[in-house]
Amino acid sequence: DAGVIQSPRHEVTEMGQEVTLRCKPISGHDYLFWYRQTMMRGLELLIYFNNNVPIDDSGMPEDRFSAKMPNASFSTLKIQPSEPRDSAVYFCASSLISGSTDTQYFGPGTRLTVL
Amino acid sequence: SQQGEEDPQALSIQEGENATMNCSYKTSINNLQWYRQNSGRGLVHLILIRSNEREKHSGRLRVTLDTSKKSSSLLITASRAADTASYFCATDVDQGGKLIFGQGTELSVKP
Repeated sequence: DAGVIQSPRHEVTEMGQEVTLRCKPISGHDYLFWYRQTMMRGLELLIYFNNNVPIDDSGMPEDRFSAKMPNASFSTLKIQPSEPRDSAVYFCASSLISGSTDTQYFGPGTRLTVL
Repeated sequence: SQQGEEDPQALSIQEGENATMNCSYKTSINNLQWYRQNSGRGLVHLILIRSNEREKHSGRLRVTLDTSKKSSSLLITASRAADTASYFCATDVDQGGKLIFGQGTELSVKP
């Protein structure tokens, strides 16, 4: 298996633009997680899905952020409109059974820079 | 608020020495996990220890868990330059699948 795949790896955009980050989890994994990592706030869980259903989105910063999982092999995280404070590395991770009692497999991340 | 807090924030040692990192947490847990992150990469799972376990080994890694003190430690023996990375502890906060990560310890192993 290729592991968790994220695209793009780097994204530079201007304030106010829409940004879409993509993730393909490991085949057969039931859980998918979106994290954001910054120097100031560390690694934060934004939202996670179980069997394509959002379970906990309490970490989503505000309404500008939205996430979808239309099928078991694809998820998107959208920021509209983007702001400079959204600059961070965004990670997608998946796990087979449960995120808390099972290994989470992380993708390589998308480095987002909002100018 | 952070569930897990690592200590120290940064650690610099010579190759061959042992490295010890500590993690403290606030609420009761079912398990605790340790992850490693090389610069510019995603996190990689190292080891999981359950609340009813006190110690676990994996190669040069040794993890201990003291639920009475709400703390865990990660020991890397005979460190190598390739062990240079950030190390994070993560705790479960509910049965539903959520992990909360600490701020991490940045380990530098000098050849």
